[in-house]
Amino acid sequence: ELKVEQNPLFLSMQEGKNYTIYCNYSTTSDRLYWYRQDPGKSLESLFVLLSNGAVKQEGRLMASLDTKARLSTLHITAAVHDLSATYFCAVGFSATNKLIFGTGTLLAVQP
Amino acid sequence: DAGVTQSPTHLIKTRGQQVTLRCSPKSGHDTVSWYQQALGQGPQFIFQYYEEEERQRGNFPDRFSGHQFPNYSSELNVNALLLGDSALYLCASSLIGYGYTFGSGTRLTVV
Repeated sequence: ELKVEQNPLFLSMQEGKNYTIYCNYSTTSDRLYWYRQDPGKSLESLFVLLSNGAVKQEGRLMASLDTKARLSTLHITAAVHDLSATYFCAVGFSATNKLIFGTGTLLAVQP
Repeated sequence: DAGVTQSPTHLIKTRGQQVTLRCSPKSGHDTVSWYQQALGQGPQFIFQYYEEEERQRGNFPDRFSGHQFPNYSSELNVNALLLGDSALYLCASSLIGYGYTFGSGTRLTVV
């Protein structure tokens, strides 16, 4: 059974600091997604990573993928309060369009 | 271009009742997937519809059923509701092999 694990589950950080969220998965996949979810809201797509070594950046967020290690990271640079949300990684399979989500990381950025 | 539309946004039902949730996919998308997100957890895959047939199913009991119509819209039905069915139900539409668009969800509360 495919497992997708994120750590940490909860992250409290100060504005201006850097940190990384890790996403480990247990089986081969051909795509890795990162989503943001605000309380009571739906999922906002952040990144889609399609190949080993892929790196994508948008603003203060940068995502990378190592398919050999079955590991993706979401790096936060100089955090601001607006980044406070829950972040999910999800493993996808192009043949099936099915997503398996990680446990989520609740990020709280303190002023 | 309208995204994924779900209705209703909120719903309160009594244990044992039945509920139907609706989803209209993004224009041009032909595949609809349903996810259940319990409070504090990541979304769990329920099932996926393509060409009016259930193509994949997650680890959910037969009380959960669905349908896809010729216009690609979809319904999720849950029979004999349990307290544990209380969750945010998310619909995602896609084209096979491409990215997903999530709707804003239906918050179901079973009392």
